[in-house]
Amino acid sequence: KQEVTQIPAALSVPEGENLVLNCSFTDSAIYNLQWFRQDPGKGLTSLLLIQSSQREQTSGRLNASLDKSSGRSTLYIAASQPGDSATYLCAVPTSGTYKYIFGTGTRLKVLA
Amino acid sequence: DAGVTQSPTHLIKTRGQQVTLRCSPKSGHDTVSWYQQALGQGPQFIFQYYEEEERQRGNFPDRFSGHQFPNYSSELNVNALLLGDSALYLCASSGAGTNIQYFGAGTRLSVL
Repeated sequence: KQEVTQIPAALSVPEGENLVLNCSFTDSAIYNLQWFRQDPGKGLTSLLLIQSSQREQTSGRLNASLDKSSGRSTLYIAASQPGDSATYLCAVPTSGTYKYIFGTGTRLKVLA
Repeated sequence: DAGVTQSPTHLIKTRGQQVTLRCSPKSGHDTVSWYQQALGQGPQFIFQYYEEEERQRGNFPDRFSGHQFPNYSSELNVNALLLGDSALYLCASSGAGTNIQYFGAGTRLSVL
């Protein structure tokens, strides 16, 4: 049974810091992994999608890596800004099913 | 190109009532999934519809039912509402041959 864990659960950093969010999963039979951003009370915004054949994906100040063999993904945010404050969720579609399994998220607060 | 749209945005019901939530998928998408997100948790898969049939179901009671129409839009129905059904309900759509899901902004359901 696929389980997704995100560490840390919450993070508070001063503006300008580089930071790393972690996502781990128990079943490596995945075909992609997706990182989402969620603002309070809002829906999910897709940030990055990494296919199982890829090792990393970049979009602006965001970089996500994937290591299937160790069951880990990291989201790196460079030069953090107060506007980056949100909850970040990772999700994996599990092989043989159609559903996404989500982690519980990391609540990020970037202080001005 | 409109993304995934959900209605209504917010809804308040009392225990025992019934509710219907609506979702229009992204243009060109034929598959709709529904998720429930309780406060502070990651989204939990309810079910997925494809070709007007329920293709897969998560661990939710029969009080949760759905429907998909020929134009691929979908409804989520919840009967005999409980306080614990209070949550953000998210709809996601995907296209044929891909498991990449695009999420709507959600419907916030409050059960009093």
